[in-house]
Amino acid sequence: DSGVTQTPKHLITATGQRVTLRCSPRSGDLSVYWYQQSLDQGLQFLIQYYNGEERAKGNILERFSAQQFPDLHSELNLSSLELGDSALYFCASSVATGAQGEQFFGPGTRLTVL
Amino acid sequence: QQQVKQSPQSLIVQKGGISIINCAYENTAFDYFPWYQQFPGKGPALLIAIRPDVSEKKEGRFTISFNKSAKQFSLHIMDSQPGDSATYFCAARSTGRRALTFGSGTRLQVQP
Repeated sequence: DSGVTQTPKHLITATGQRVTLRCSPRSGDLSVYWYQQSLDQGLQFLIQYYNGEERAKGNILERFSAQQFPDLHSELNLSSLELGDSALYFCASSVATGAQGEQFFGPGTRLTVL
Repeated sequence: QQQVKQSPQSLIVQKGGISIINCAYENTAFDYFPWYQQFPGKGPALLIAIRPDVSEKKEGRFTISFNKSAKQFSLHIMDSQPGDSATYFCAARSTGRRALTFGSGTRLQVQP
């Protein structure tokens, strides 16, 4: 158990809908990362937040957004969903200080868009 | 230049054998190279990591070999066990960018 929690575990929805994925980082970790894992694209970085502020963006679509709240939990919002958005979405956290900054991954949310 | 190339895509090894997975990169700004292990239905779990100032790091049955000049690194699993059957991802991170760039993954199957 990495200490990172994600809810829900599974999510099934229809095209055009909007969903929110939630992540709670490990205790003490200030940085949260979101990754998407799909069969054709592999594990791809979406976005990073550090202590409430956006720090880096990766291959995140404009239909997707995220935020990190004062209690450090984070939410990833996916809107106008398409079939191709079906994937596993992982949250990872790290202390984001020091030389290593190892990232620890949560169990993921499996999103199915029908 | 952000890409990390991983091979093989899949690997079958007999119990007790050595599993070897290779990765190559282009971006010389990468300064941290972790390996993750992922079981079905689970998130990736950090296995072992190396920085480019050392050529080898060993933790138990797992060893990373790093060749800075060739821009290649590999994971060796000694005495492979059926419980090692999982998907393995190499990754890399550059100093100025904390997000990880992942390889495409290797599905390892250790046969009893």
